[in-house]
Amino acid sequence: SQTIHQWPATLVQPVGSPLSLECTVEGTSNPNLYWYRQAAGRGLQLLFYSVGIGQISSEVPQNLSASRPQDRQFILSSKKLLLSDSGFYLCAWSADRLNTEAFFGQGTRLTVV
Amino acid sequence: QKEVEQNSGPLSVPEGAIASLNCTYSDRGSQSFFWYRQYSGKSPELIMFIYSNGDKEDGRFTAQLNKASQYVSLLIRDSQPSDSATYLCAVNTRGFKTIFGAGTRLFVKA
Repeated sequence: SQTIHQWPATLVQPVGSPLSLECTVEGTSNPNLYWYRQAAGRGLQLLFYSVGIGQISSEVPQNLSASRPQDRQFILSSKKLLLSDSGFYLCAWSADRLNTEAFFGQGTRLTVV
Repeated sequence: QKEVEQNSGPLSVPEGAIASLNCTYSDRGSQSFFWYRQYSGKSPELIMFIYSNGDKEDGRFTAQLNKASQYVSLLIRDSQPSDSATYLCAVNTRGFKTIFGAGTRLFVKA
């Protein structure tokens, strides 16, 4: 069966510090991968998605970036965090076909102080 | 206009009642539709998906889709306190991209 791992679960970072969140998927090949952010009391905002190694589509211009160095690894990064980057970050995967459902990792709660 | 719109609620129903959650979407080319449940502080979990017009039933849950009206709904029969959560409507608009609504908070009163 497929599983998705996301870490860390919680993170407190000072303004201006870098960020690296990692997500890996097991039990499937060539998954579509996603990063979402959820602000407190809000819906999920799609940040990035990837349909293959090195292929990243950005949905919202901001100081975040994403990379997919391996087939089942997706990384969310920032060089300098802003207070507004605080939120619940969720990695998700879907199968390599159109119109299929996404499955989420456990999420990382990021607080920028 | 938001791509996926939901009433934020909260929607409060008594235990045993039917909870009705609604969602509209803007892209007529959307082909797949999902309902997720999210408990506070947790990640969303898939409840149901629907691709064709009409109703789809799974246990106490029924998803309804009307593509002409760009409307999708979720009915929860015999609501239980454990159903209290935020329900997220999601629409796959261009094959690989899934857009979520802001969610409807549901409270089921014992």
